[in-house]
Formats: sequence, structure tokens, C-alpha cells
Amino acid sequence: LAKTTQPISMDSYEGQEVNITCSHNNIATNDYITWYQQFPSQGPRFIIQGYKTKVTNEVASLFIPADRKSSTLSLPRVSLSDTAVYYCLAHQGSVNTGFQKLVFGTGTRLLVSP
Amino acid sequence: IAGITQAPTSQILAAGRRMTLRCTQDMRHNAMYWYRQDLGLGLRLIHYSNTAGTTGKGEVPDGYSVSRANTDDFPLTLASAVPSQTSVYFCASSRTSGRSGELFFGEGSRLTVL
Repeated sequence: LAKTTQPISMDSYEGQEVNITCSHNNIATNDYITWYQQFPSQGPRFIIQGYKTKVTNEVASLFIPADRKSSTLSLPRVSLSDTAVYYCLAHQGSVNTGFQKLVFGTGTRLLVSP
Repeated sequence: IAGITQAPTSQILAAGRRMTLRCTQDMRHNAMYWYRQDLGLGLRLIHYSNTAGTTGKGEVPDGYSVSRANTDDFPLTLASAVPSQTSVYFCASSRTSGRSGELFFGEGSRLTVL
């Protein structure tokens, strides 16, 4: 499994765009990059996944450069409710066995202030 | 709403006592997992199950046991609790097919061992 490194914490204000970068220098060819969000007193929640280039959904965008050694989660116009811990994971793309070996690091604690 | 149900939500337990954390899912997912989350250490995998009738050890299995008698239930048992098992425990599940890297988490069980 590729090791991921991301900032321990970030601060922002409401309405700003937040970009959280994750490095995964030893990512394997068939690895995907997935981001989870965890609110206090709740379990983590899948928010976005990508392999390369750019992926966008209703929650966030994920930018992955051609070398795939890093990825950036972009949260547009954050609100107070985006205060959470964000985890970056690099993992195998195959789910043939059913079990998915995911390694959650300590994540990035995002604090959004008024 | 369908998903993962964990019980109890929180529990204070005397050291040496036996404790079973319950986890039930109604999504018919084949794979299930138990993680523990400790401050500064992120989420760590305790045990997992690919499908009913099979279980496997994760990163930190010592002191814990699991069973998977059917698809829906995946209880975690602490045979003789110790203070170092004070943590928040999350149960999760995933589909065999479909998107890789997507786990569905419960709300967690906060356990304090005194």
C-alpha cells in the first residue's frame, strides 16, 4: 500500500476555497486515490475518488497530476459545516476478494471559521 | 435509513470484564470491518471479514475476536478488557462489486475501560 502524507491541520474562513494536498510518492500503477471526510462523533464518509486528471462531484473536486505522486482535494466555498477531518488514501483498484485493505492515516483537520 | 448500526453507542467498562460490541448492516454487503480510532493514530483495522463464515486479522487484532455467522452481523468481542482498549470503535462494510475504496461506516461505539 502506498504511504500518503498530508498536512496535520488547516484553517480557513467561510466562503473560501480550500485545497488539501496529499503526497503518495510510491503509488502503484493500479492504485486509486480516495478521500474520506469525518465529522466529530461520526464515522468516516467517502467523498471522492480518482485515478488521474480531474474528478468533480457535488461535494468536491480531486486533481491528480500525470505522475500521480500527489493529489489535491478542492472544497469550493467552504462553510462552517465543512469543519472535519479529511483522509487521503491510496489503495488497490480491484475488489475481487471483497475485502478492501484501506489504510487511514491521521488525516487533515480542517477548521472553518466565520 | 439503511446502513450500519452499532451498539452500544458508549460504554464504561471495568478492566477484566468481557464486552461485545454489536454491528449490523442491512445493505447485504459481503465484507465487514472493525476499526479503532485513537487520538493521533487515525483509524486502525482490528479484524475483517470477506464474507459470512470467514474472518481475518487486521493491523491490531490482539485482545479482540470476531465472528461472522451471517451476512448482516459482525460482533467484536473483548474477552478481558484492558485500559489500552479505551477507544472509539467503528464498524464498516463494503460491496464486493462496484467502486473500490468505498467503505460505509457506522456511527461508532465509544468504549472506556477503567
